[in-house]
Amino acid sequence: GDSVTQMEGPVTLSEEAFLTINCTYTATGYPSLFWYVQYPGEGLQLLLKATKADDKGSNKGFEATYRKETTSFHLEKGSVQVSDSAVYFCALTPDILTGGGNKLTFGTGTQLKVEL
Amino acid sequence: EPEVTQTPSHQVTQMGQEVILRCVPISNHLYFYWYRQILGQKVEFLVSFYNNEISEKSEIFDDQFSVERPDGSNFTLKIRSTKLEDSAMYFCASRDGTVSNQPQHFGDGTRLSIL
Repeated sequence: GDSVTQMEGPVTLSEEAFLTINCTYTATGYPSLFWYVQYPGEGLQLLLKATKADDKGSNKGFEATYRKETTSFHLEKGSVQVSDSAVYFCALTPDILTGGGNKLTFGTGTQLKVEL
Repeated sequence: EPEVTQTPSHQVTQMGQEVILRCVPISNHLYFYWYRQILGQKVEFLVSFYNNEISEKSEIFDDQFSVERPDGSNFTLKIRSTKLEDSAMYFCASRDGTVSNQPQHFGDGTRLSIL
């Protein structure tokens, strides 16, 4: 079945540092890819998405590029802030052409801590 | 911006009791979902619901669980005869569905504690 693998956390960075959170996936065809963020005490919020190969999703300074050849969707931000401290989840929904439904399959989540 | 709302935020229940978790999806959305996250583990899909019936369910979603859309706004998850291992955060989500590849929007979750 489909799966998502994320780098283990927690990741601790100083403010203004560069962030990369690795995400790779296993799925048939061309799934849609997502990053969700969970701030302390809150639910899951969509951060960005990409629905086809080579698409770049971006939001709030975060970016991720859909790489079919490496089955990856790594999250990056050039300069993190303390307010970015949260848990980040990579996720996918199946390629609609495979008839695999539209449930989200999540990675384990990566906790990010940004310090002054 | 419209959002998915879930109640209660925290539910404490004795083992063996029934519990109903409530969700109000975004009003024009057509697809509804329940997920759960056991503490320290990944978010897991439970069930999806469309056109007043279950469209997909996971192995977790056995006869102990049921979902219902009792009226035009609420979407509920019922857990019968709760067990200790049902303790988790339960998330409701909804999706537009009129356009392909639209993302799911999540509520803030209900933390279910079984004693």
